[in-house]
Amino acid sequence: SQTIHQWPATLVQPVGSPLSLECTVEGTSNPNLYWYRQAAGRGLQLLFYSVGIGQISSEVPQNLSASRPQDRQFILSSKKLLLSDSGFYLCAWSVRGQGVYEQYFGPGTRLTVT
Amino acid sequence: DQQVKQNSPSLSVQEGRISILNCDYTNSMFDYFLWYKKYPAEGPTFLISISSIKDKNEDGRFTVFLNKSAKHLSLHIVPSQPGDSAVYFCAASADYKLSFGAGTTVTVRA
Repeated sequence: SQTIHQWPATLVQPVGSPLSLECTVEGTSNPNLYWYRQAAGRGLQLLFYSVGIGQISSEVPQNLSASRPQDRQFILSSKKLLLSDSGFYLCAWSVRGQGVYEQYFGPGTRLTVT
Repeated sequence: DQQVKQNSPSLSVQEGRISILNCDYTNSMFDYFLWYKKYPAEGPTFLISISSIKDKNEDGRFTVFLNKSAKHLSLHIVPSQPGDSAVYFCAASADYKLSFGAGTTVTVRA
């Protein structure tokens, strides 16, 4: 069966510090990968998605970036965090193919920027 | 621009009764709709979905209804159970991306 891991589970970082969140998927190959953020009291906002190694699409302008160095690894980064980057970050995967829509989420990372 | 809207931020229902969650969308290109359930500090879990070519899909206690002309869908949970207390997100798909609503917090009272 497929599993998705995210770490760390929680993170407290000062403003201006760098960020690296990692997501890995097991039990599947060539998945589509996604990064979402849930701000307090709001829905899930798609930040980045990837349909293959090295292929990253950004949905919203921001000071975050994403990379996919391996097929089942997705990394979210920032060089300098802002207070507004605080939130709950979720990684998700889906099967690549036509007519497949369901996405499956990891446990999330709670980021607090102080 | 919020393309998927859940206008009720919260819903309180008595155990055993029906919970009805509503969702509206604006993008006519959406061709698949999903509901997710989320507990605090956890990732959302997929609950039920419906294709745009259908108007109803049922899975146990959960039924999703789609009204394409009104661009509206709803999730019915019957009977509601204490374990159903969670945040429910409506999502709509275009290509392989999902757009999510802001969520509805359901509280099931004993």
